[in-house]
Amino acid sequence: GESVGLHLPTLSVQEGDNSIINCAYSNSASDYFIWYKQESGKGPQFIIDIRSNMDKRQGQRVTVLLNKTVKHLSLQIAATQPGDSAVYFCAETYTDKLIFGTGTRLQVFP
Amino acid sequence: EAGVTQFPSHSVIEKGQTVTLRCDPISGHDNLYWYRRVMGKEIKFLLHFVKESKQDESGMPNNRFLAERTGGTYSTLKVQPAELEDSGVYFCASRLTGAASYEQYFGPGTRLTVT
Repeated sequence: GESVGLHLPTLSVQEGDNSIINCAYSNSASDYFIWYKQESGKGPQFIIDIRSNMDKRQGQRVTVLLNKTVKHLSLQIAATQPGDSAVYFCAETYTDKLIFGTGTRLQVFP
Repeated sequence: EAGVTQFPSHSVIEKGQTVTLRCDPISGHDNLYWYRRVMGKEIKFLLHFVKESKQDESGMPNNRFLAERTGGTYSTLKVQPAELEDSGVYFCASRLTGAASYEQYFGPGTRLTVT
């Protein structure tokens, strides 16, 4: 896939454990923060977003936390499954475009 | 509902040649975005169309890149002449103004290899 040669930080977790993926962002003026998942050979797929005036949002098995004081965003995945293996990107919206972070590779082992 | 589609999925060209990438957004989506990821780097914004108008082209690297969206439906991104550093994956995304979520829907990407 397109990640070959891309040296990403990697998080390895055992199936069933919880995963926490972290991201630092740069722009205090961003309106939304979004987590995307990218599997090999596919485009980024939306997971969850959070508005800048919130600090927590929950979805199905996922929770996003936003700490504006330290410009930090995290994605928590509960009961991680093999199908969660992918590269995860945080992104912030600014002037109607997405600004992506470098990504984290999540590897789930049995 | 069909998602965002891109063509071709993979293109290999020689330095100096021309390549045209195509993106078909989700039907009815007025916003269309181009992004790319070059090897070893993060996904970066190139430009944004609202219908047929260029809303923001601040991410276009240089004048070798030309994007069009005639009629406000599909879009093309032409690279002429291609250079080695243009190699990477080019993504297209679309979004409907006024939708409940800010989600941009991405296509599968076109992998461009310039040799």
